Amino acid sequence: QKEVEQNSGPLSVPEGAIASLNCTYSDRGSQSFFWYRQYSGKSPELIMSIYSNGDKEDGRFTAQLNKASQYVSLLIRDSQPSDSATYLCAVNQGSWGKLQFGAGTQVVVTP
Amino acid sequence: DAGITQSPRHKVTETGTPVTLRCHQTENHRYMYWYRQDPGHGLRLIHYSYGVKDTDKGEVSDGYSVSRSKTEDFLLTLESATSSQTSVYFCAISASGTGDNYGYTFGSGTRLTVV
Repeated sequence: QKEVEQNSGPLSVPEGAIASLNCTYSDRGSQSFFWYRQYSGKSPELIMSIYSNGDKEDGRFTAQLNKASQYVSLLIRDSQPSDSATYLCAVNQGSWGKLQFGAGTQVVVTP
Repeated sequence: DAGITQSPRHKVTETGTPVTLRCHQTENHRYMYWYRQDPGHGLRLIHYSYGVKDTDKGEVSDGYSVSRSKTEDFLLTLESATSSQTSVYFCAISASGTGDNYGYTFGSGTRLTVV
């Protein structure tokens, strides 16, 4: 069974600090990687996608991918209380656009 | 929200009854997916569709069936509901299975309780 692993948290981050979330995956054939944010009681929403090794920045978010080490990470700079949510890592699995999700890391930003 | 709606939003049903959940999209996306979300397990794929009448099983498909008779609708049926199927069910759509348009948009979810 191919797996996507995340620390469940909660990850407590002071407001204005950097939150660092990690995700490892087992399928070496995976090519597409995503981060979703899910507020309590809501549906997941896509915040970042990354396909190539290295960093990809979008506003306060940076995704980092290292295929050789099979990990993908998400950095949230200048963390705000509105960033308090569960962050889901997702990795493509086989064909037809299927995604496998990690169980999520809960982030709590404290004022 | 993107053009994806799930119905019903909440449902309580009795063990042994059939239940159908509906996912409707107005985006004309080819790919549709049903996931369930449970504490400690994250999102797990139940069934997916890559076109009208083209469906296949995911990792937790036992006890579930699906149908997609037109692009916009993807139905999930619990043939005989059990308490283990109490969960939050999410439908997702994607324009593509790879490349720039790849990435899911999720519906608002259906909270199903089997008593």
